[in-house]
Amino acid sequence: EVQLVQSGAEVKKPGESLKISCKASGYSFIDYWIGWVRQMPGKGPEWMTIIYPADSDTRYSPSLQGQVTISVDKSISTAYLQWSSLRASDTAMYYCARQGAQKQAFDYWGQGTLVTVSS
Amino acid sequence: DIQMTQSPSSLSASVGDRVIITCRASQSVSTYLSWYQQKRGKAPDLLISGASSLQIGVPSRFSGSGSGTDFTLTISNLQPEDFAIYYCQQTYSLPRTFGQGTKVETK
Repeated sequence: EVQLVQSGAEVKKPGESLKISCKASGYSFIDYWIGWVRQMPGKGPEWMTIIYPADSDTRYSPSLQGQVTISVDKSISTAYLQWSSLRASDTAMYYCARQGAQKQAFDYWGQGTLVTVSS
Repeated sequence: DIQMTQSPSSLSASVGDRVIITCRASQSVSTYLSWYQQKRGKAPDLLISGASSLQIGVPSRFSGSGSGTDFTLTISNLQPEDFAIYYCQQTYSLPRTFGQGTKVETK
């Protein structure tokens, strides 16, 4: 059974750094792109970034380039999303999701990690 | 970026109704169009990929159609568990943009 299990909720102050995780199981981690989706309170999902674990090829949304970093640790089948300096506007639910083979849809999703940035 | 526009933004329906949600892309996405269902406090759940391919385990009352720029999601015989928000997403080009959502509420 494919599962994506994300790290727990975080409360941070503006300017702090953060790294959240997504541990995959039930499939060959290196063979599927895995990405992150942001959902701000009361809004629709927003595609952020994606990585191919086999070679760490990455793609970013132009609107977020430079603000976040995606990475993986193949040895533990885990993807990460990292901020070096959080802003209040980063407050959102963050989902990791696997990009499936059929027309590149996100076929499996993590349960979400709520990030709250407040002074 | 390709803009995805859904209509309506919300609708009221009753159990047993047929519901149609439309999604329009600002440029052609071929059949690289997915539909997701999201319930309160949960992650989105993939219903349809490739504009019309139903995911395994998704009830057959859900169907998708379209190509190019215009797509529809149809729910026939609406069931109580179908009251949720539905999103389309183009997977043709990066960034893989989502529509703003259609909330299906009980009448």
